Amino acid sequence: NAGVMQNPRHLVRRRGQEARLRCSPMKGHSHVYWYRQLPEEGLKFMVYLQKENIIDESGMPKERFSAEFPKEGPSILRIQQVVRGDSAAYFCASSRTENQPQHFGDGTRLSIL
Amino acid sequence: QKEVEQDPGPLSVPEGAIVSLNCTYSNSAFQYFMWYRQYSRKGPELLMYTYSSGNKEDGRFTAQVDKSSKYISLFIRDSQPSDSATYLCGIFGGSEKLVFGKGTKLTVNP
Repeated sequence: NAGVMQNPRHLVRRRGQEARLRCSPMKGHSHVYWYRQLPEEGLKFMVYLQKENIIDESGMPKERFSAEFPKEGPSILRIQQVVRGDSAAYFCASSRTENQPQHFGDGTRLSIL
Repeated sequence: QKEVEQDPGPLSVPEGAIVSLNCTYSNSAFQYFMWYRQYSRKGPELLMYTYSSGNKEDGRFTAQVDKSSKYISLFIRDSQPSDSATYLCGIFGGSEKLVFGKGTKLTVNP
């Protein structure tokens, strides 16, 4: 399966803990995007990265959230000191170039106790 | 005005019906138009991608773009129960940011 791989599929954290979500893009894709989806709402853009660079983080909260896409390994979305409002499905997408369509993984469902 | 508007439905049709799903957008700079299908507990799956006005057909699916009216549509012919899902329109303008509608939930009844 050469699709976008996200893990874990489900993540449960207690308030105040850290959450790390991982995303491996499709083979040949160097552009990675993170989205958040709340129930009954559409996908909301968070951040766009290329290898070792953050291109656009305009959709990401200024505090507690960070993202990286290192030279080697998957892209990581990190949420520090999680709160109940962080509970959502987080989707990663990748594309070959910035004007090519984005392909999505099956998401990580984050639940905060 | 929101950048992309999409009627959330829900939409319920009998098997074999023609389904019409629509989105409107406000930013005339938008150039690229996509339709995604999302099954419950899964990620969005790309169905159609176009960057010009007019029609694009792929099997039972037809995507239509009218840039003058800022209006896009997805038609599904001979709808099947397996088409039951949420359909999302996604639009972007060549910059990196893809904007989605809220999605329309479709149920096709056997």
